[in-house]
Amino acid sequence: NAGVTQTPKFQVLKTGQSMTLQCAQDMNHEYMSWYRQDPGMGLRLIHYSVGAGITDQGEVPNGYNVSRSTTEDFPLRLLSAAPSQTSVYFCASRMTGGREQYFGPGTRLTVT
Amino acid sequence: EDQVTQSPEALRLQEGESSSLNCSYTVSGLRGLFWYRQDPGKGPEFLFTLYSAGEEKEKERLKATLTKKESFLHITAPKPEDSATYLCAVMSYQKVTFGTGTKLQVIP
Repeated sequence: NAGVTQTPKFQVLKTGQSMTLQCAQDMNHEYMSWYRQDPGMGLRLIHYSVGAGITDQGEVPNGYNVSRSTTEDFPLRLLSAAPSQTSVYFCASRMTGGREQYFGPGTRLTVT
Repeated sequence: EDQVTQSPEALRLQEGESSSLNCSYTVSGLRGLFWYRQDPGKGPEFLFTLYSAGEEKEKERLKATLTKKESFLHITAPKPEDSATYLCAVMSYQKVTFGTGTKLQVIP
């Protein structure tokens, strides 16, 4: 199993550009989520999904969109990038009814 | 509001020098307390889940314990490869709250 994979690993955007961060998992996990990690702050939940076709907002959803058309994939879209979105983004997944989350390797995003 | 506070922020140990990392928490309805290890440039790696006060779990040189207000991650005779940031998180119903982590450096 590859586990949770994320692409790209690094990305630089200019203010106002849009992009999609990709996340995929091959563990057949129903629950998937996106976090951002900033210095001095704990991981913060952006959006999550409890299954295909179902998504919901987390703690810091503004400026981000998600969709879940398959169990395996959970892309995160930045609509119009802002410098405040400079961060490291992690995707995670867990089984329905499970509690432990398994994280991807992260995407380091810089918005200039 | 659920809160997680980890201390110290950073810890430097000599190889073989045992110590403990602290995770203090307040949560409404604890459904699990998690410890993760995070290496630089990588995603958090799951270590342990603790569910109730008094529970203990071990893995190699690591032992996690839980009380009603805090959890400890004990590191016995650490090696340089144990150097990493250790994250604590609590789960209440569907919400997970992370601490900011303790950065551990083990010097040969």
